Amino acid sequence: GAVVSQHPSWVICKSGTSVKIECRSLDFQATTMFWYRQFPKQSLMLMATSNEGSKATYEQGVEKDKFLINHASLTLSTLTVTSAHPEDSSFYICSARDPLGQGNQPQHFGDGTRLSIL
Amino acid sequence: AQKVTQAQTEISVVEKEDVTLDCVYETRDTTYYLFWYKQPPSGELVFLIRRNSFDEQNEISGRYSWNFQKSTSSFNFTITASQVVDSAVYFCALNTGTASKLTFGTGTRLQVTL
Repeated sequence: GAVVSQHPSWVICKSGTSVKIECRSLDFQATTMFWYRQFPKQSLMLMATSNEGSKATYEQGVEKDKFLINHASLTLSTLTVTSAHPEDSSFYICSARDPLGQGNQPQHFGDGTRLSIL
Repeated sequence: AQKVTQAQTEISVVEKEDVTLDCVYETRDTTYYLFWYKQPPSGELVFLIRRNSFDEQNEISGRYSWNFQKSTSSFNFTITASQVVDSAVYFCALNTGTASKLTFGTGTRLQVTL
């Protein structure tokens, strides 16, 4: 089945550093990937839609200069949290759109990245 | 705009009890898809089911069953004979259009105890 790999699983870093999270579709090509953020005990909120070869589309209220998204290939999208601060600590989940809709799933999710900024 | 409401924030049951998780959705689109996902404590999202707006047949998969009623815009999820391993947060989600954007409900945290 379609698999999405997200790396790293955990990140702990100091305030002010930049953190890059990778999302890879392992056995299918994903022209569209999505980045979600989930605060503790809350729902998943879509941050942006990542389109291969073009600029990402950000949801209202998400700072595009803060959360840099690059989708340079059909199997890889990256999210970089720039100058991270404690309020950026969250669980970040990516998903990749499967154009074939395998298994009735329009999106296949990575396992998430738990980001903690000290 | 799309909206998904899961009114039950937390549910606690004893093992072997049946439990129903409610989901109510709002959309103006006539074609849409509804989903249920399970998120265990480890955090990953586990896909459970997809239902399209033209298929109101209820579905059963093992101990899981789903009741889709367009008349009340509801897509409820029942776990029969609950087990401790069912403890997780369950999300209902809605997708319309070709962009595959998912709108998630706020989730229901299910705690199953011995």
